[in-house]
Amino acid sequence: KQEVTQIPAALSVPEGENLVLNCSFTDSAIYNLQWFRQDPGKGLTSLLLIQSSQREQTSGRLNASLDKSSGRSTLYIAASQPGDSATYLCAVRPRTNDYKLSFGAGTTVTVRA
Amino acid sequence: DTGVSQNPRHKITKRGQNVTFRCDPISEHNRLYWYRQTLGQGPEFLTYFQNEAQLEKSRLLSDRFSAERPKGSFSTLEIQRTEQGDSAMYLCASSQLAGISYEQYFGPGTRLTVT
Repeated sequence: KQEVTQIPAALSVPEGENLVLNCSFTDSAIYNLQWFRQDPGKGLTSLLLIQSSQREQTSGRLNASLDKSSGRSTLYIAASQPGDSATYLCAVRPRTNDYKLSFGAGTTVTVRA
Repeated sequence: DTGVSQNPRHKITKRGQNVTFRCDPISEHNRLYWYRQTLGQGPEFLTYFQNEAQLEKSRLLSDRFSAERPKGSFSTLEIQRTEQGDSAMYLCASSQLAGISYEQYFGPGTRLTVT
């Protein structure tokens, strides 16, 4: 069974600092990995999706890397802003014909003004 | 297109009552998923549909839970004889049938509180 872990569970940084969020998974045979943002009491917003054949994906200030062999992904958020405060979740999709996502518990980020 | 929508957004019910939630996926998406999220945890998969066919159910989906997608468009999730342990956020997602990524897009969720 795929286990997804996100450490730390919470992170507080001053505005302007770069954020580094970690995600690890136990089974490296994944199809893709998705990073989501969740605001308190809200649904999930997809940030980036990385295919298993890719090493990284970028969108604006966000960059996600994937090292499938070591079972790790990292989400980098450059020049953090108070509006980046949220919970960030990673999720892996296991195989081509398996569509359910396995999620980590998330990292809750607070960016201090 | 306005994305995935879910109704109601909040539901408070007494233990033992039945509740039903609705999800309207993105219009061209053939796959629809239900997840459950408890406080401080990531979402857990419950079930998914491809068009009107329910293709997989998690062991989390006890006999008290039933999901339908009668015409391959919207879906309903019903919980019978609710228990306090059912209190959670119920999330719906949808994705396309074809394409490389099959990226899942989530709705705002329905927050269920069982008193």
